[in-house]
Amino acid sequence: KNEVEQSPQNLTAQEGEFITINCSYSVGISALHWLQQHPGGGIVSLFMLSSGKKKHGRLIATINIQEKHSSLHITASHPRDSAVYICAAPDSNYQLIWGAGTKLIIKP
Amino acid sequence: DTGVSQDPRHKITKRGQNVTFRCDPISEHNRLYWYRQTLGQGPEFLTYFQNEAQLEKSRLLSDRFSAERPKGSFSTLEIQRTEQGDSAMYLCASSSTSQGYEQYFGPGTRLTVT
Repeated sequence: KNEVEQSPQNLTAQEGEFITINCSYSVGISALHWLQQHPGGGIVSLFMLSSGKKKHGRLIATINIQEKHSSLHITASHPRDSAVYICAAPDSNYQLIWGAGTKLIIKP
Repeated sequence: DTGVSQDPRHKITKRGQNVTFRCDPISEHNRLYWYRQTLGQGPEFLTYFQNEAQLEKSRLLSDRFSAERPKGSFSTLEIQRTEQGDSAMYLCASSSTSQGYEQYFGPGTRLTVT
């Protein structure tokens, strides 16, 4: 069983749709990192959250520490949101345990 | 720009040559990480430093790989006697233990071994 599991693995949606990507983790300290990687591009940190909810533009991340579950939402999705979204849980040494990533494609 | 920078961005080398990459972290960050990413895969941890001390090395880091962070600021990753299997994107990230665990990534160095 992977220590950090994401779903879905692949997601294709139409522009404007509300997107949800889920992450469950069984390890790590009580925090979760969401990152984004565009095709051929570098990795960008989106959120690090340890409780509640964070919002940045059209991106919203929530976390339930008790259930060790986090979700990343994208409102009013746009083709430029097409990327791989990765969740990662820091272990006790603050090293990241990576999920497998969710490949998101937003069609115009 | 005060983000993480890496140099060079691209490197093409012939098998058997040595290559060295540099990473400059965010200035107040005391932790620096190196990762390797091959096409279609997630990042694989290679090693990390806290200040100048190298605290952990992955078993992926064979004896052909060496990393340094001599003054606790920039870091170098050297690969000796490169092999075609070393072709990958090499990513550097930094974080601050006093500001939480969030890692900030550089743009990466793409290595192609021919």
